[in-house]
Amino acid sequence: NAGVTQTPKFRILKIGQSMTLQCAQDMNHNYMYWYRQDPGMGLKLIYYSVGAGITDKGEVPNGYNVSRSTTEDFPLRLELAAPSQTSVYFCASTAMTGATEAFFGQGTRLTVV
Amino acid sequence: AQTVTQSQPEMSVQEAETVTLSCTYDTSESDYYLFWYKQPPSRQMILVIRQEAYKQQNATENRFSVNFQKAAKSFSLKISDSQLGDTAMYFCAFMKPVSDGLTFGKGTHLIIQP
Repeated sequence: NAGVTQTPKFRILKIGQSMTLQCAQDMNHNYMYWYRQDPGMGLKLIYYSVGAGITDKGEVPNGYNVSRSTTEDFPLRLELAAPSQTSVYFCASTAMTGATEAFFGQGTRLTVV
Repeated sequence: AQTVTQSQPEMSVQEAETVTLSCTYDTSESDYYLFWYKQPPSRQMILVIRQEAYKQQNATENRFSVNFQKAAKSFSLKISDSQLGDTAMYFCAFMKPVSDGLTFGKGTHLIIQP
């Protein structure tokens, strides 16, 4: 039972480079989320999706893009990486709204130098 | 927009003691959900306990219980008989019914001393 799988686990980018963080879940969850966690802070929502073909901005969307072509996958694209995007990124999914448990991936530690 | 505040950046207690982590939140919503998540050094986010705002009864999960005070917008976590494995960051989180994501506090670093 894989749950939510994120790749890569670590990455170092140079300023101005681009990359895609991959997220896949095998629980047939409709709702998927991307968060970032800066040192000493809680997680902040970047983007979310309530189903295939539907995405919406969260609290901190600038500098990122997402797509949701399938229920399983929710990649996060960083264009023109900046040092301010150095963070740990978490993907999560839930089956439905409400008090449903969110399942998180292991996180991707990204450093932009 | 809603906010979640955890006023204790770090707490340290002895093994087997009881510890309470504080959380307050601000929202104009009447219906919502509250959660406590644990993040050990492995970085994995683990759900500890959840509470529906419409339920007056406080949630409990084994050694973990909450004190939910809706009028005061307070949601504290009590850990009884603390264990070394409880050492972790603990995040309080809020969610509206429409599930547009969780709003997290900054976290409390809990250290259980042997």
